[in-house]
Amino acid sequence: DAGVIQSPRHEVTEMGQEVTLRCKPISGHDYLFWYRQTMMRGLELLIYFNNNVPIDDSGMPEDRFSAKMPNASFSTLKIQPSEPRDSAVYFCASRGGEPYNEQFFGPGTRLTVL
Amino acid sequence: QQQVKQSPQSLIVQKGGISIINCAYENTAFDYFPWYQQFPGKGPALLIAIRPDVSEKKEGRFTISFNKSAKQFSLHIMDSQPGDSATYFCAATPTDSWGKLQFGAGTQVVVTP
Repeated sequence: DAGVIQSPRHEVTEMGQEVTLRCKPISGHDYLFWYRQTMMRGLELLIYFNNNVPIDDSGMPEDRFSAKMPNASFSTLKIQPSEPRDSAVYFCASRGGEPYNEQFFGPGTRLTVL
Repeated sequence: QQQVKQSPQSLIVQKGGISIINCAYENTAFDYFPWYQQFPGKGPALLIAIRPDVSEKKEGRFTISFNKSAKQFSLHIMDSQPGDSATYFCAATPTDSWGKLQFGAGTQVVVTP
């Protein structure tokens, strides 16, 4: 298996623009997680899905952030409009099967908002 | 609020030495305690994990020690190697949020040759 796939790997945009991050989980996994990593705040869980349904979005910082999972093999995280403080590395992770609770992380998308 | 507190923030150890990272949790309703390892430019990857019904788990040079009464757990890296240089995160899963991980702040470990 190719593991969790994220695109793009790097994104540079200007403040006010819309940004869409994409994730393909490992086939057969039923949980998908979106995280944000910064030096100041570490690894933060933004939202997670189970069987394509959002379960907990309490980590989404504000209404500018939205996430969707239209099917088992694809999810998006959208920021609109983007702000400089959104600059971070965004990780997608998926989980399913054995071993219990292991989350497999993608390589991340490094977002820079100018 | 940060429910999993990790220390130290950074650690330098000589090759062959022992690296020790400590974590403490506040919520007693956690039932799974993994450690993740992250190399620069990569996503975190599971290193080793423990459940609260055991006090120690060893996999190769990596050992988790767990103290349920003190609500503390630690990672020991024996015979540290330069390839172990990475950032290590402890985490915990709440029993009421199965699958969700609460991460510590991370420890950057540098192993000098």
